[in-house]
Amino acid sequence: DIQMTQSPSSLSASVGDRVTLTCRASQSISSYLNWYQQKPGKAPKLLIYAASSLQSGVPSRFSGSGSGTDFTLTISSLQPEDFATYYCQQSYSTPYTFGQGTELEIK
Amino acid sequence: EVQLVESGGGLVKPGRSLRLSCTASGFTFGDYVMSWFRQAPGKGLEWVGFIRSKAYGGTTEYAASVKGRFTISRDDSKSIAYLQMNSLKTEDTAVYYCTRRGTDFWSGYDWFDPWGQGTLVTVSS
Repeated sequence: DIQMTQSPSSLSASVGDRVTLTCRASQSISSYLNWYQQKPGKAPKLLIYAASSLQSGVPSRFSGSGSGTDFTLTISSLQPEDFATYYCQQSYSTPYTFGQGTELEIK
Repeated sequence: EVQLVESGGGLVKPGRSLRLSCTASGFTFGDYVMSWFRQAPGKGLEWVGFIRSKAYGGTTEYAASVKGRFTISRDDSKSIAYLQMNSLKTEDTAVYYCTRRGTDFWSGYDWFDPWGQGTLVTVSS
């Protein structure tokens, strides 16, 4: 199975900050990497697919980059509604696997 | 509007069975791979399995943790996907989510969107 590791596990930031979350795969997954946002008690929401493609309806302050084993999710200017947990997920092969999540908290 | 609604969750004793349903609307259900994920309380996301469309044989794949105990099926005439869970264990306690798999057929990249609201399954004596 492909292991996905996210860092940091938690992050405190302020509204307006630029933040970068990192995800690393245990083997090369090309660009088969998706990012999801999850708020407490809610279902995950797709933000980025294929490492860098912005899902329709997602604000342009979200962007993704990377290929191979190292990936990043960047939020250019944090908004109050962005405080949530973010998960990366590889779709290179089954079993599909997720990182453990990065909890983004308000400073 | 594309929508997925799960139902069928509840409290069940270890060793018993439960069937979850995922009712879809707003898209041509039969054209898509449908997948189930779960999230144990306070934990991360785990893929459970998926079922391909009839055009691709309607075949299924499962996570090792549920293989042989869980079965995914679909009724395209009703736009419903099912998750039959047998021999339930306490570690199967989780919110179960249904999702649709999107695919870029040129590149092969795929993703999961949208997700249903989830249904809680609690396995406890």
